[in-house]
Amino acid sequence: AQRVTQPEKLLSVFKGAPVELKCNYSYSGSPELFWYVQYSRQRLQLLLRHISRESIKGFTADLNKGETSFHLKKPFAQEEDSAMYYCALTGQGAQKLVFGQGTRLTINP
Amino acid sequence: GAVVSQHPSRVICKSGTSVKIECRSLDFQATTMFWYRQFPKQSLMLMATSNEGSKATYEQGVEKDKFLINHASLTLSTLTVTSAHPEDSSFYICSARDRQGSAEQYFGPGTRLTVT
Repeated sequence: AQRVTQPEKLLSVFKGAPVELKCNYSYSGSPELFWYVQYSRQRLQLLLRHISRESIKGFTADLNKGETSFHLKKPFAQEEDSAMYYCALTGQGAQKLVFGQGTRLTINP
Repeated sequence: GAVVSQHPSRVICKSGTSVKIECRSLDFQATTMFWYRQFPKQSLMLMATSNEGSKATYEQGVEKDKFLINHASLTLSTLTVTSAHPEDSSFYICSARDRQGSAEQYFGPGTRLTVT
């Protein structure tokens, strides 16, 4: 079965501090992992996907198959990063996304 | 970028009535659309997967006779909540995939349904 776990419901850091949002997954095949972000009063939008291997808004995420993790990191948090972050997974040939419970990130000034 | 719209953005209806929510892909053709439900401060729960021209696939525990899904064209899917009850009050979100093989989903802004 596919499962995504985000252990932290809430995460609060100060502006300029590093931030890491944890995501662990369970999937027997080769997964495709995503991070979606939902800013206040806005729709869910894709932040990044592991196959792109790119940095978006200073965020990066590396797929660690050994630890079955896809943690989201940013070295220096900014106030505009405050939002709800969802880790999501889809399997090979699968259509649907499985979402984690989400982490609400708050950046304090 | 790919844009998905939903209509209405919010709706209030009386218990026992039916409500239809539309999901449109504005600048691309969506072979597959998804319907989610989101409770306050919770994650998205997939309700069903809608493929154009075929019957929707419902997730376990979702009543297909209560949540009717129609995907009649490559740009439109509708969700009808039949005989709505207060417990159906929720935030309903749709998403769409723009082509086969692409796993990325584009999300609509959501529809707030309140059943009184």
